[in-house]
Amino acid sequence: NAGVTQTPKFQVLKTGQSMTLQCAQDMNHNSMYWYRQDPGMGLRLIYYSASEGTTDKGEVPNGYNVSRSTTEDFPLRLLSAAPSQTSVYFCASSLYWDQILTSGANVLTFGAGSRLTVL
Amino acid sequence: RKEVEQDPGPFNVPEGATVAFNCTYSNSASQSFFWYRQDCRKEPKLLMSVYSSGNEDGRFTAQLNRASQYISLLIRDSKLSDSATYLCVANQAGTALIFGKGTTLSVSS
Repeated sequence: NAGVTQTPKFQVLKTGQSMTLQCAQDMNHNSMYWYRQDPGMGLRLIYYSASEGTTDKGEVPNGYNVSRSTTEDFPLRLLSAAPSQTSVYFCASSLYWDQILTSGANVLTFGAGSRLTVL
Repeated sequence: RKEVEQDPGPFNVPEGATVAFNCTYSNSASQSFFWYRQDCRKEPKLLMSVYSSGNEDGRFTAQLNRASQYISLLIRDSKLSDSATYLCVANQAGTALIFGKGTTLSVSS
């Protein structure tokens, strides 16, 4: 099934551990994004990649790292996990990063989410 | 100040009711707008785009008011299956999408 695949779906970490959340899309989208969602805070952008080889910080990038070496993959690395990083993480992709309505196909498609708990 | 603001609700309505949500955006340069729907513990999914002239999709109507910088979503004849959180989204050229915190709707029988 075409779409955005995130792994793992659930993860428990101890403070100070590092890990990588994987994200892959098979829709040949140029742009990919990582959001986190916390109760009462809504979706907040962590990092995004407008196209392969480029990445940019979003609203809450501290404590995370990303890379975009292929069109399909956009992994999110937690460098040293902290309890404040307990959250639901969503990866998303779109045809272009500029969401101006030039095409009905240019919408954001999300993965199913990764639930991370840091103890 | 959050760029996109919504009343979190919850809005509790009976089946068959009409309900409307508003969302305000602070950046007058915002050019495209959307409503996403998010079911409990699921990923957000696009409900509808919001066009300047307003648009309708079945029981759902979206409106944009640029002068007052708000968008609205009207749901007619509410169904139990409409229970969800509705996310307002805006962006300007050259930026990623900014999501509101969402408005929770609960439709009861």
